Amino acid sequence: AQTVTQSQPEMSVQEAETVTLSCTYDTSESDYYLFWYKQPPSRQMILVIRQEAYKQQNATENRFSVNFQKAAKSFSLKISDSQLGDAAMYFCAYRSTGANSKLTFGKGITLSVRP
Amino acid sequence: DVKVTQSSRYLVKRTGEKVFLECVQDMDHENMFWYRQDPGLGLRLIYFSYDVKMKEKGDIPEGYSVSREKKERFSLILESASTNQTSMYLCASSRRTSGRTAYEQYFGPGTRLTVT
Repeated sequence: AQTVTQSQPEMSVQEAETVTLSCTYDTSESDYYLFWYKQPPSRQMILVIRQEAYKQQNATENRFSVNFQKAAKSFSLKISDSQLGDAAMYFCAYRSTGANSKLTFGKGITLSVRP
Repeated sequence: DVKVTQSSRYLVKRTGEKVFLECVQDMDHENMFWYRQDPGLGLRLIYFSYDVKMKEKGDIPEGYSVSREKKERFSLILESASTNQTSMYLCASSRRTSGRTAYEQYFGPGTRLTVT
């Protein structure tokens, strides 16, 4: 079974600075998907960014980018120019490529942003 | 925009009561999911469904059942609520995987259930 590990329960960043959230996973599959989800306080969980394992290029979405290291099974999220609205819980998630496969989540990391 | 709604944001029930949590999505998604979220444990999958009347057990199905009679609606049922089922419950939906596209899951706002 696949596992997703987020070893840091909390992180803090100064507004306008850059922060990196780490995630590692364990799998024997060669093709899969990885996601970062954001859950703001008392608000709905939303997708931040996704990465298909067959793509070598790291995904980017505006201020959010990933560092996908397939051999190391590492999938970190970098947030540039941090904003107060980035304060949230962030979850890393893994999914196999099967049509009905499920998401496996890490335990999450709480990010606070200092003004 | 995809919308996933859940019947209640907050719910308080007594031990032994039968509890229904309802989830509705408006994007014709094939797949629907129920998770519970607990501090320090992340999200854990209870049940999921990839078609009407179909269901699959997730990682922690004990004490729960589900129903999917219509494509847009997925219900989670606690047959006899217990205090250890006090938690945040999240519903999600997604398109069925096609090709090599990683379709995301869309989440509802959650139901915070307290069992006393």
